[in-house]
Amino acid sequence: KQEVTQIPAALSVPEGENLVLNCSFTDSAIYNLQWFRQDPGKGLTSLLLIQSSQREQTSGRLNASLDKSSGRSTLYIAASQPGDSATYLCAVKYAGGTSYGKLTFGQGTILTVHP
Amino acid sequence: DTAVSQTPKYLVTQMGNDKSIKCEQNLGHDTMYWYKQDSKKFLKIMFSYNNKELIINETVPNRFSPKSPDKAHLNLHINSLELGDSAVYFCASSHAPNTQYFGPGTRLTVL
Repeated sequence: KQEVTQIPAALSVPEGENLVLNCSFTDSAIYNLQWFRQDPGKGLTSLLLIQSSQREQTSGRLNASLDKSSGRSTLYIAASQPGDSATYLCAVKYAGGTSYGKLTFGQGTILTVHP
Repeated sequence: DTAVSQTPKYLVTQMGNDKSIKCEQNLGHDTMYWYKQDSKKFLKIMFSYNNKELIINETVPNRFSPKSPDKAHLNLHINSLELGDSAVYFCASSHAPNTQYFGPGTRLTVL
C-alpha cells in the first residue's frame, strides 16, 4: 500500500530556531514530491515541488531534500518566524498508473513558532 | 484574481438533502481534482478530471457525482447527504503531473 507518513505530528519552537520536518513514503517509485502549507481554515499553498530526479529544492528560508532510496524527504526551515506557524503537508505523486497527478498526502505536521 | 475558486465557502444542510459545490480555475490548467479533508485533517483524493474526462475515481460512493462542463470548471454534486459527508472539500488544478494549486475549500456540515 502506498502511504505517506509525517513526523512529528506537532512541533513547537521558539522564534529564530532552525527546524526539520520529516516525511517518509512506502514506495520509492515516485514521480515527484510536494510540500504544502495550510493555515487554519484556509486552503493549501504549494511551497516546493521536487521531481524524482532531483535531490533538493530551495525557496528563500525553505529547503526540501529527497532521498528516494530511503523513502524520505525533509523540509528544513531556517530562522523560523511566528508567521511560519501552520500545518505542513507532504504529498507524493507515485509513479505508474495514470500520470494525471494523484497526490497521496501525509497527515501533516502542526508547527507553532512562538515569539 | 483568485486562481482556483470554490463556492460556497460554507454549506450547512440536513441529512438526505442534495447539494452542489462549484469550482473554477483561471490558470488554463488541463487537470482538476476534488479532495476531501476529514475531521482529523487527513486529505484524500476523490476525483480527477483531465480535459473534461474522468481519470481518477477513488472508491467514492456513487452519491458523489463530479461534472466538468469545460476544462475550467469541475463541480461536485452530492445526493442524499449523510453525517459522514461532513468535511472540508478542496478543489485543485494543475498541468498534470506538476504543481497543484488548491482552492480555499468548502466546509460542509451535515446535521
